[in-house]
Amino acid sequence: EAGVVQSPRYKIIEKKQPVAFWCNPISGHNTLYWYLQNLGQGPELLIRYENEEAVDDSQLPKDRFSAERLKGVDSTLKIQPAELGDSAVYLCASSLGGFGNTGELFFGEGSRLTVL
Amino acid sequence: GDSVTQMEGPVTLSEEAFLTINCTYTATGYPSLFWYVQYPGEGLQLLLKATKADDKGSNKGFEATYRKETTSFHLEKGSVQVSDSAVYFCALSHNTGNQFYFGTGTSLTVIP
Repeated sequence: EAGVVQSPRYKIIEKKQPVAFWCNPISGHNTLYWYLQNLGQGPELLIRYENEEAVDDSQLPKDRFSAERLKGVDSTLKIQPAELGDSAVYLCASSLGGFGNTGELFFGEGSRLTVL
Repeated sequence: GDSVTQMEGPVTLSEEAFLTINCTYTATGYPSLFWYVQYPGEGLQLLLKATKADDKGSNKGFEATYRKETTSFHLEKGSVQVSDSAVYFCALSHNTGNQFYFGTGTSLTVIP
């Protein structure tokens, strides 16, 4: 079974440029997460989807970040325009979800963004 | 709010040494507790979990016991190997809302 797939693995851009990250979760996983991981820190939630609905986006900086999950499968996270402080690893994770499910999160390998 | 606090690293041990990485949590109710591991160049993956008080999670020689009285979930291994070198994250979740909270991670390096 394929795991969570993210692309690109690495991206280097200049500040004020746009960037997009793509995530394909494990088949059948209803819940999809985007996390931000700064160097030496743990993952911090940006947005969580239940199927195609964003149910928790309170930590997403909406002035420059946007996300979508069309048809409740793949998801895209966009930053426009990027700032120097956005340099980090962007992690996608998925889980079966559902009330009462305390199962594990399955993470992709992450997309490392460097903003120059 | 809910949170997880784990010991700061980095931790450097010799092969076959005993490992303890401390983790304490703050949460309402009865969360589930997890240890995730991130090997160099890879994504996070679940190492072990415990879903109720006094449960012991174990995997690959690692163990952690859910202690509600001390709100702790310390990770232990009796004899570490070079291949255990990684970053370890303690995490909690509630079964309402699928929200996960992660600690800052503890980097472990095992030297031969």
